[in-house]
Amino acid sequence: ENVLTQSPGTLSLSPGERATLSCRASQSVRNNYVAWYQQKPGQAPRLLIYGASSRATGIPDRFSGSGSGTDFTLTISRLEPEDFAVYSCHQYDTTHTFGQGTRLEIK
Amino acid sequence: EVQLLESGGGLVQPGESLRLSCAASGFAFSNNAMSWVRQAPGKGLEWVSAITGSGDNTYYADSVRGRFTISRDNSKGTLYLEMNSLRADDTAVFYCAREGYNPYFDYWGRGTLVTVSS
Repeated sequence: ENVLTQSPGTLSLSPGERATLSCRASQSVRNNYVAWYQQKPGQAPRLLIYGASSRATGIPDRFSGSGSGTDFTLTISRLEPEDFAVYSCHQYDTTHTFGQGTRLEIK
Repeated sequence: EVQLLESGGGLVQPGESLRLSCAASGFAFSNNAMSWVRQAPGKGLEWVSAITGSGDNTYYADSVRGRFTISRDNSKGTLYLEMNSLRADDTAVFYCAREGYNPYFDYWGRGTLVTVSS
């Protein structure tokens, strides 16, 4: 199983700041088959990024993804109030595994 | 607009069974593979099972293989998860999710809570 480890567990930032979230895989992810999701309480998870760096439909360009192999990053360039949520990475190269999530909270 | 609406969750005792449903709308249901993904309290997401668009092929996580059965009725636009021999560690919010062009999940439902407790 390809275990995904996200860091940090919690990130405390202020609106307007830049957020950098990390996702490290225990095995190399072929074809950059990594996605990122946003979760808010009581809501459906929302796809942000697929293929490591492609933004999903309707996702603002302040969200960007990068990385390859075993190291992937989600960057939010300037935090808006609605961006404070839990973010999870997902590899879909070998079955499906998810990271444990990073909670992005308001400082 | 793509919508996925799960139902069927509830409180059951260990060893009992439960059937979840996911009603899909806003897209050609048979064109997409579908999955169930769960999230235990305070934990990360865990993929549970997947089914191809035709329903001919199914896939399971090791943790549920032999206990859970995924199926779909394309005429009704509905995905199912039959869960037998439920255990306390099956307690989770269960989401249905649509697979995109590659098997990331492009749409999700809001989930249904399954609680297994005596």
